[in-house]
This record gives sequence, C-alpha cells and structure tokens, in this order.
Amino acid sequence: NAGVTQTPKFQVLKTGQSMTLQCAQDMNHEYMSWYRQDPGMGLRLIHYSVGAGITDQGEVPNGYNVSRSTTEDFPLRLLSAAPSQTSVYFCASKGGNTQYFGPGTRLTVL
Amino acid sequence: GENVEQHPSTLSVQEGDSAVIKCTYSDSASNYFPWYKQELGKRPQLIIDIRSNVGEKKDQRIAVTLNKTAKHFSLHITETQPEDSAVYFCAAYTGGFKTIFGAGTRLFVKA
Repeated sequence: NAGVTQTPKFQVLKTGQSMTLQCAQDMNHEYMSWYRQDPGMGLRLIHYSVGAGITDQGEVPNGYNVSRSTTEDFPLRLLSAAPSQTSVYFCASKGGNTQYFGPGTRLTVL
Repeated sequence: GENVEQHPSTLSVQEGDSAVIKCTYSDSASNYFPWYKQELGKRPQLIIDIRSNVGEKKDQRIAVTLNKTAKHFSLHITETQPEDSAVYFCAAYTGGFKTIFGAGTRLFVKA
C-alpha cells in the first residue's frame, strides 16, 4: 500500500492564480480530510468527506473547494490564491480511529 | 465552536527527565483523544490514543491520562531521549466526523 499520497510536494503561485492539490489513498477509507498547518496554529481542518459524493466544511473553508467523486481521490482547489493561503497542506484519510496523513504540500503564494 | 487548548507551546527537558503536555477540550461529546508526533519536515504520525471510557493508557515510555469531568487529557513521556524531540499534537474527535487539533508543543530533549 502506498497509503496517502499528495502532489505536488512544493508549489509557488502568484496572487490570483488557481490550482488543485491532489490527494489519493489506497486503503479504501471512507473518511478523508484536508488540513493546513501554520506556525503556532497546529492543524486546522479545511474540508472533509465521509464518502464519495459527500463533503462538508471544516474550520477554515473560505477560498477552498473540494469534491469527492471516488473513494480514492479528494482534491483541494484554490480558486484565487492569496498570500494568506501560504501554508503546508496535509491530506489525511481515516481508518477506524487512526488518521493517516499524506507527506504534505508546501504552498507559497506571492 | 469546538476547540482544543494545548500547553505548553515549547518544552525543553534534559535527557532522561520526564515531559508532560496538557490539553483541554471544549466539546463534552468528544469521545476519542489521539496524540500525534511530527518530526521536522515530516507528516504527523499517531503515537498513542485514548477513548473516553478509559482513564489511562500506557505504551512503553509514553502514557496518556484522561479526566472527563475536567475535560483534560495529558501526554507523559518518561526517560526522554533525543529522538523524542519533535512537535506533539493532541486532538479530540468530536463524533461529528471532525478531529480538532491543539496548536502543538515543540519538545526539545537536550543530551
């Protein structure tokens, strides 16, 4: 099993650009989520999904969209990037009570 | 909304000493409390967890205690080693499919 994979590992955007962060898992987990990690603020939930076709907002959803067309994939879209979205983004899937995190994407918005 | 407070934000101990990190949660419906360790540049990884029907759980040098009445839970690391240096996150699972994380504690273990 590859577990949870994310692409890209690093990305630099200009303000106003859009992009999609990819996340995939091969553990057949129903629950997947996206977090952003900023210094001193821990991991904050952006969006989550409890299964294909079902998504919901977390703590900090503004500026981000998600969709869940398959169990495996849970992409995160930045509609119009802003410097405040500079962060490290982690995707996670949950099996039982354990959350498995992807390796993260470091995003810089100039 | 639900939140989890974690203290201290930074903790420095001498190798061999014990380290204690404390968390407080707000949602009384929370029933599962995991702890994650994140080494520099790596992803968070689960190290121990506890359910609300248990007061204490131990795994070798790490232990977690839970006080449901006070809505407190703590991570205890004994006989600390340099490889324990990392950021530790507590979290509370609210049952509404959400896991809320504390802000993290950066632990330094000095050799």
